[in-house]
Amino acid sequence: EIVMTQSPATLSVSPGERATLSCRASQSVSSNLAWYQQRPGQAPRLLIYGASTRATGIPARLSGGGSGTEFTLTISSLQSEDFAVYYCQQYNNWPYTFGQGTKLEIK
Amino acid sequence: QVQLVESGGGLVKPGESLRLSCAASGFTFSDYYMNWIRQAPGKGLEWVSYISDSSSFTNYADSVKGRFTIYRDNAKNSLYLQMNNLRAEDTAVYYCAKGRVAADWGQGTLVTVSS
Repeated sequence: EIVMTQSPATLSVSPGERATLSCRASQSVSSNLAWYQQRPGQAPRLLIYGASTRATGIPARLSGGGSGTEFTLTISSLQSEDFAVYYCQQYNNWPYTFGQGTKLEIK
Repeated sequence: QVQLVESGGGLVKPGESLRLSCAASGFTFSDYYMNWIRQAPGKGLEWVSYISDSSSFTNYADSVKGRFTIYRDNAKNSLYLQMNNLRAEDTAVYYCAKGRVAADWGQGTLVTVSS
């Protein structure tokens, strides 16, 4: 099983600032990597797939990068709706696995 | 727009069974892989199972293999998860999700396994 490790566990950032979240895979997942956002009490929402392709309706201030084992999600100019938990997930090998999540909180 | 509505959750005792359903609308159901993904209270996400568009392929997490069965009825635009021999560790919100990458999710249904 591929283990996905996200860092940091919690990230405190001020509104309007930039946030960079990291995700590492225990072995290469090529570009088969997705990012999800989950707000309290809601289902997760797909943000990025293919490591860098934004899902429908996702604003350009969110961007994904990386390949192989190292990935990042960058959110520029944080807005109130961005403060949530973010998960990375690989779909290169079954079982598909998620990272443990990064909580993005208001500083 | 895509709608996925789960149902069938509830409180059951260890060893009992439950069947979850997911009613899909707003897209051509028979064209898409479908998935069940769960989240234990206060915890992260676990991809439980997927099924291909024509039901030719299915796969299960080791934690549920042999106890859970995923199936679909394309004529009824519905996805199901038959859960047998439930354990306390199966307690979670179960989400139905569309596509090889989970592009759309339902609101989830809570399954609680407790004596």
